[in-house]
Amino acid sequence: QVQLQESGPGLVRPSETLSLTCTVSGGSISSGDHFWSWVRQPAGKGLQWIGRIYTSGYTYYNPSLKSRVALSLDTSKNHFSLNLTSVTAADTAVYYCVSSSYYAFWSGPHAWGKGTTVTVSS
Amino acid sequence: NFMLTQPHSISESPGKTVTISCTRSGGNIADNFVQWYRQRPGTSPTNVIYEDDKRFSGVPDRFSGSIDSSSNSASLTLSGLKPEDEADYYCQSYDGSSWVFGGGTRLTVL
Repeated sequence: QVQLQESGPGLVRPSETLSLTCTVSGGSISSGDHFWSWVRQPAGKGLQWIGRIYTSGYTYYNPSLKSRVALSLDTSKNHFSLNLTSVTAADTAVYYCVSSSYYAFWSGPHAWGKGTTVTVSS
Repeated sequence: NFMLTQPHSISESPGKTVTISCTRSGGNIADNFVQWYRQRPGTSPTNVIYEDDKRFSGVPDRFSGSIDSSSNSASLTLSGLKPEDEADYYCQSYDGSSWVFGGGTRLTVL
């Protein structure tokens, strides 16, 4: 089973861009068997799926965030990344990177990172 | 699109059986598989049930999942409750393009 580890700044200023990276171990991001996604969770609240990316570069985003989100991947570093622009306090959350089956995306995340807390504040 | 609604909290005693519901508004619960996740405080979610009623590897058979078309809901049942079952539980389904999560249920084992 793959393992995932998030990294990035814990503090982002309002209106700026939140950038996180997820390093994958125990498997190749190019394997073709997985979608790679981000899920976030505001403190004390539920889970929200942000978007997914495939090794081909195909992406699909949550319609509620689509205008501000971009996912990318770097096969040479075996990691994928999240950029979220024009952030506000409402984007303060724990951000998880997750993997799921390419063949059964409906079945949800199969592996989760430990999560990284991002606070939006001046 | 649809929403998944869960009770905010449930309490039960050790050794008892508890059922957490996840009601779909819009469309039929059987249209898309339902998954369940457990999240203990300060940790990331872990997988419990996938494709309505299949247990993830390592999940004890005290955990079971089901769907009920008459109530348009999915259920997670935990039998023989243990103190370590105390956690938040989330259901999740798929609307054809996106994952949809329920709001979560806080299970307290008294």
